[in-house]
Amino acid sequence: GAGVSQSPSNKVTEKGKDVELRCDPISGHTALYWYRQSLGQGLEFLIYFQGNSAPDKSGLPSDRFSAERTGGSVSTLTIQRTQQEDSAVYLCASRYQQGTVGSPLHFGNGTRLTVT
Amino acid sequence: SQKIEQNSEALNIQEGKTATLTCNYTNYSPAYLQWYRQDPGRGPVFLLLIRENEKEKRKERLKVTFDTTLKQSLFHITASQPADSATYLCARVSANDMRFGAGTRLTVKP
Repeated sequence: GAGVSQSPSNKVTEKGKDVELRCDPISGHTALYWYRQSLGQGLEFLIYFQGNSAPDKSGLPSDRFSAERTGGSVSTLTIQRTQQEDSAVYLCASRYQQGTVGSPLHFGNGTRLTVT
Repeated sequence: SQKIEQNSEALNIQEGKTATLTCNYTNYSPAYLQWYRQDPGRGPVFLLLIRENEKEKRKERLKVTFDTTLKQSLFHITASQPADSATYLCARVSANDMRFGAGTRLTVKP
């Protein structure tokens, strides 16, 4: 079966523009996460979706960042009025989480965002 | 605040030696810790999970330990090979949460 798919793989945008990043999780995975990874840095948690529950948005760095997950499947991360400090790799991951706390995350290969 | 930290940013070892990477956590007790491998330009890939009531877990040349007294997990790669060169990340796991350390970049020299 297919893994987690992210698009685009690379995005170059001008400062001030809005961007949308897409994530297609593994079919049947109930939990979906977005992380941000700056050059040489670890993974910074952004947002978490689990089933029909309200998302955990505690990691979003500012109100310019938002995300949605439609139909419990595809997710879109939107960054409005992009800034140069938004340049990073945005990683999406999903996992099957039904009473299985320790199930592993399956990551996509990320979207590399460059804000010029 | 709850933290998960990997002590070494980078580790260089000679082929054939054992690599040991450290993950420390503070201000909480995770039920699980997971270890991932990340290659350049790719997303992390899951390697091993260890539960708080397990002291050790093995998979081929990999071994993970979990010391709840020291609040530490050690990740060992025995008989290391150049192909093991990558960044290794530890992650704490709770019901809703997956938070990662900054990673240790391992280089195995032939």
